[in-house]
Amino acid sequence: SYELTQPPSVSVSPGQTARITCSGDALSKMYAYWYQQKPGQAPVLVIYEDSRRPSGIPERFSGSSSGTMATLTISGAQVDDEADYYCYSTDSSGNQVVFGGGTKLTVL
Amino acid sequence: EVQLVESGGGLVQPGGSLRLSCTASGFAFSDHNMDWVRQAPGKGLEWVGRSRGKGNSYTTEYAASVKGRFSISREDSKKSLYLQMNSLKTEDTAMYYCASIAVGYWGPGTLVTVSS
Repeated sequence: SYELTQPPSVSVSPGQTARITCSGDALSKMYAYWYQQKPGQAPVLVIYEDSRRPSGIPERFSGSSSGTMATLTISGAQVDDEADYYCYSTDSSGNQVVFGGGTKLTVL
Repeated sequence: EVQLVESGGGLVQPGGSLRLSCTASGFAFSDHNMDWVRQAPGKGLEWVGRSRGKGNSYTTEYAASVKGRFSISREDSKKSLYLQMNSLKTEDTAMYYCASIAVGYWGPGTLVTVSS
């Protein structure tokens, strides 16, 4: 079955740039989406279609994709950005949705 | 304002059945693909399945872990999505979210606990 691989954890100091990667064979053909989830809350979409930012999401959140890897970048990370981040995409048929295992971002 | 509200969660014994409902408001429900996503306690997000919208003939897809046991349906006149869960296992214990994940619409979730 198709899998998306994320690092379990990323740690940065406030003001630094955080980069979270998501790798999967079909990412060269399929869009990546990124979600932020804080404890006890439903996930929030922060990037869709590789690099588009929903309204209301701060400009410090950006996304890119190259080959089989998508990257979520948080420029000037803030303490409030501490959360779990999940990528998702579909397999090459477009029928099966897969979430990555999630990355815990620590900002301190 | 977009709203999704799930209901129907609770405690059920292994092998039992449960039906979750989701009621939507604030967007064109019939046009949207609708998903069920679950999250076991302390674990990551897991996609359960999808009901595509009117433009995609309402077709459904399921994760391998639930195929043959779970069934998704929708009733556009009521702006409602359903998840029928049969032959439940302890590993199905999770918070179940109704969502349209490509556009970022999520409900608060409903908790399903499978335990004897």
